[in-house]
Amino acid sequence: SQTIHQWPATLVQPVGSPLSLECTVEGTSNPNLYWYRQAAGRGLQLLFYSVGIGQISSEVPQNLSASRPQDRQFILSSKKLLLSDSGFYLCAWSRDRGSHGYTFGSGTRLTVV
Amino acid sequence: QKEVEQDPGPLSVPEGAIVSLNCTYSNSAFQYFMWYRQYSRKGPELLMYTYSSGNKEDGRFTAQVDKSSKYISLFIRDSQPSDSATYLCAMKSATGFQKLVFGTGTRLLVSP
Repeated sequence: SQTIHQWPATLVQPVGSPLSLECTVEGTSNPNLYWYRQAAGRGLQLLFYSVGIGQISSEVPQNLSASRPQDRQFILSSKKLLLSDSGFYLCAWSRDRGSHGYTFGSGTRLTVV
Repeated sequence: QKEVEQDPGPLSVPEGAIVSLNCTYSNSAFQYFMWYRQYSRKGPELLMYTYSSGNKEDGRFTAQVDKSSKYISLFIRDSQPSDSATYLCAMKSATGFQKLVFGTGTRLLVSP
C-alpha cells in the first residue's frame, strides 16, 4: 500500500532563517506531488506541484521554492523565512491526473517568530 | 466569484442528528467530486469520491451530486461526536492535468 511521510510535525523558526520541509511517498512510482498551505479560514492554497523529477510548477509567487530531486521526494524550501510564511503545510500525492483525489500527509505546523 | 463555495460554519448538531453539508460551484467542466474530512492539526483524508451526477453511499455517509444545479452534498446519518471535524469538498474537470479545486471547509461539531 502507498504511504506518504511528511516531517517535521511542528517547527518554530526565527524570521530570516532557512526552511526545508521534506515529503516522501512509498509504494508507488511517478506520483504527482503537491505542496499546500492552509491558513485558518482560508482553505487550502496550492503552492507547487510536480509531475516528474525536476519538474516544478509554481502556483503563487512567494518566498518559497520546491524541488523534486528523486521520484518520490518533494522538498519545500525557503532561504529567508517571513512572518507571513507561518501556517500549516501539507504535502499530497496523486496518481496520474488525480481524478480519484489526492492523499495528504499529516502536515507541518510552521510558526515563524 | 470563487469556483467553489462552501459555508464555513460552524455547524452544531446533537448526536444522532442527520447532517447535511453542501458546496456550490461555477465551473460546469467539473466531473469528479470528493469530500475530505480533516481533524484538527491533521491532514485531510478522503471520505467519498463521485464521478459525474448521482448518489454514492458508504456506511453512514452519502454523497450526492446535482450537476444541473452545480450543487454537491454530503449527508451523515446518525452523527457521532467523532464526526466533529472540518469537511472540505473538492472537484476537478476530466480534461488534461487539472488540479483539484477545494472549498474552504465547513466545521462540524457534534455534541454528545
